[in-house]
Amino acid sequence: KQEVTQIPAALSVPEGENLVLNCSFTDSAIYNLQWFRQDPGKGLTSLLLIQSSQREQTSGRLNASLDKSSGRSTLYIAASQPGDSATYLCAVTAGANSKLTFGKGITLSVRP
Amino acid sequence: DADVTQTPRNRITKTGKRIMLECSQTKGHDRMYWYRQDPGLGLRLIYYSFDVKDINKGEISDGYSVSRQAQAKFSLSLESAIPNQTALYFCATSEGYGYTFGSGTRLTVV
Repeated sequence: KQEVTQIPAALSVPEGENLVLNCSFTDSAIYNLQWFRQDPGKGLTSLLLIQSSQREQTSGRLNASLDKSSGRSTLYIAASQPGDSATYLCAVTAGANSKLTFGKGITLSVRP
Repeated sequence: DADVTQTPRNRITKTGKRIMLECSQTKGHDRMYWYRQDPGLGLRLIYYSFDVKDINKGEISDGYSVSRQAQAKFSLSLESAIPNQTALYFCATSEGYGYTFGSGTRLTVV
């Protein structure tokens, strides 16, 4: 059974800092990996999706990398801002028609 | 209008009551999902449907049932609500790689 782990559960950084959020998964036979953002009491917004054949994806100040063989992904946030404060979840799928398996998320707080 | 709409947004109900959470989507996708989110436990899959005639149990389906009334509509029912079903419930739809989530229904069972 696939398990997705995100450590630490919470992180607080000062504004302007570059930071890395980690995600690990137990079964390297994934189809893709996604990073989502969730604001308090709100739904999930997809940030980046990495196919299993890809190494990284970038969107603005966000860069996600994937190392399938080691079962790891990182989400890099450059020049963090208070508006980046949210919970960040990673999720994997095992196949094109498979369901998402989520990590528990990392709650990020960016202090002004 | 949102791509995935969940109603109600918030609901308080009593133990033993039957309650239905509704979800509709305008993405035209075949696949729809119901997840629940609990603090410290993340999102867990309750039921999923790959088309109107295909409904499957997820990892925590006990105490829940679903109905796929049309491609665009997927409802989740709690037959007899209990307090440990208090959670944030999300509906989602997908096609290919991309998932779209609704804003969630916060359900409290007292």
